[in-house]
Amino acid sequence: QSALTQPASVSGSPGQSITISCTGTSSDVGGYNHVSWYQQHPGKAPKLMIYEVTNRPSGVSNRFSGSKSGDTASLTISGLQAEDEADYYCSSYTSSVTYVFGTGTRVTVL
Amino acid sequence: QLQLQESGPGLVKPSETLSLSCTVSGGSISSSSYHWGWIRQPPGKGLEWIGNIHYTGATYYNPSLKSRVTISADTSKNQFSLKLNSVTAADTAVYYCASITAGGFDMWGQGTMVTVSS
Repeated sequence: QSALTQPASVSGSPGQSITISCTGTSSDVGGYNHVSWYQQHPGKAPKLMIYEVTNRPSGVSNRFSGSKSGDTASLTISGLQAEDEADYYCSSYTSSVTYVFGTGTRVTVL
Repeated sequence: QLQLQESGPGLVKPSETLSLSCTVSGGSISSSSYHWGWIRQPPGKGLEWIGNIHYTGATYYNPSLKSRVTISADTSKNQFSLKLNSVTAADTAVYYCASITAGGFDMWGQGTMVTVSS
């Protein structure tokens, strides 16, 4: 199975909004609403930020939001803050009863 | 709150078997609410899903690793385990265990670094 495609890097200034895309196929992102997003700071374990495309776990800032259109899911971070600087990964359930992660996106706060 | 902790050798020789365990606290691995999974991350690279085990004992593996991977559970110890055989340097990575719900990989262990080297 191929990794989902994400941009290698995205940057923005404090207070701005950025969007990270996650492109798959009809066998994963496009076929299921089991798309999730993870934030990973250096040397730390990933943290679930969005699940089932649009839902935020308790405790995650409402500055993080998710959406999906066709085979592409997106994570938007609004009101960008210095603490948002991290790597972000998407993940999807697949038709093969497996999971696949995205290639990862480094977010830089300018 | 659910907590997970990986344990196992940090150094494995090429061609040998990597064995890790994940101890779960704050919940039961026999719960129908969860699958239990392993994910790895080579140094400087992205996340790779290795496989899951369901409370029924059903297992699901990454096709690229399937021939070398076994995930099992020990309900008496509230642990699940990973075995990866015939390892090479390409298997050097941080290995994470995680709980999985319909929402995704919701709780993660801190990760354990495994180096494959003679």
